[in-house]
Amino acid sequence: NAGVMQNPRHLVRRRGQEARLRCSPMKGHSHVYWYRQLPEEGLKFMVYLQKENIIDESGMPKERFSAEFPKEGPSILRIQQVVRGDSAAYFCASSRGPETQYFGPGTRLLVL
Amino acid sequence: QKEVEQDPGPLSVPEGAIVSLNCTYSNSAFQYFMWYRQYSRKGPELLMYTYSSGNKEDGRFTAQVDKSSKYISLFIRDSQPSDSATYLCAMSASSGTASKLTFGTGTRLQVTL
Repeated sequence: NAGVMQNPRHLVRRRGQEARLRCSPMKGHSHVYWYRQLPEEGLKFMVYLQKENIIDESGMPKERFSAEFPKEGPSILRIQQVVRGDSAAYFCASSRGPETQYFGPGTRLLVL
Repeated sequence: QKEVEQDPGPLSVPEGAIVSLNCTYSNSAFQYFMWYRQYSRKGPELLMYTYSSGNKEDGRFTAQVDKSSKYISLFIRDSQPSDSATYLCAMSASSGTASKLTFGTGTRLQVTL
């Protein structure tokens, strides 16, 4: 049974470039969540999606960040015009429904 | 004030010791409580999941929830060096639909030989 898959595992971008992070949920899971973890801090919720719908984006920065979970394919977290403060580990989690969330290995973004 | 407070540690114990990890929270709407273990540069791994108040045991791990005190605990018996990791408490206020998790900052545990 494959777990939550994320790619790339490491991503280096220069300031002003775009970052695209991908997440494939566990088989049978239709709920996807994105979290961000800054050094020495806990995970912070960003956005919760179901297929083709954003359910809760209360943790998303108002600008430059967007997320989607299309009918086919992985969920995408997109960061436009990255800045150094965007450097962090981004984790995706999935769940079957209103229960436990299972996390992927994360994508570590470094902005130079 | 943070919604979830967790002592960051580090907590260092000898092998075989009983470890107690704790979180307090302020949001009385939280009903689901989880403990995750995170090794360095890895994703969080679910350890325990409980709903509302009470105890739950799984092998060497016991989770306790006291909603009246807004206090949750994770006990690890017979601790092993492989238990060395950061332990994150998490909780949600699900009302029947899936809901975001609110995490503590994590407690770093070191089990020494």
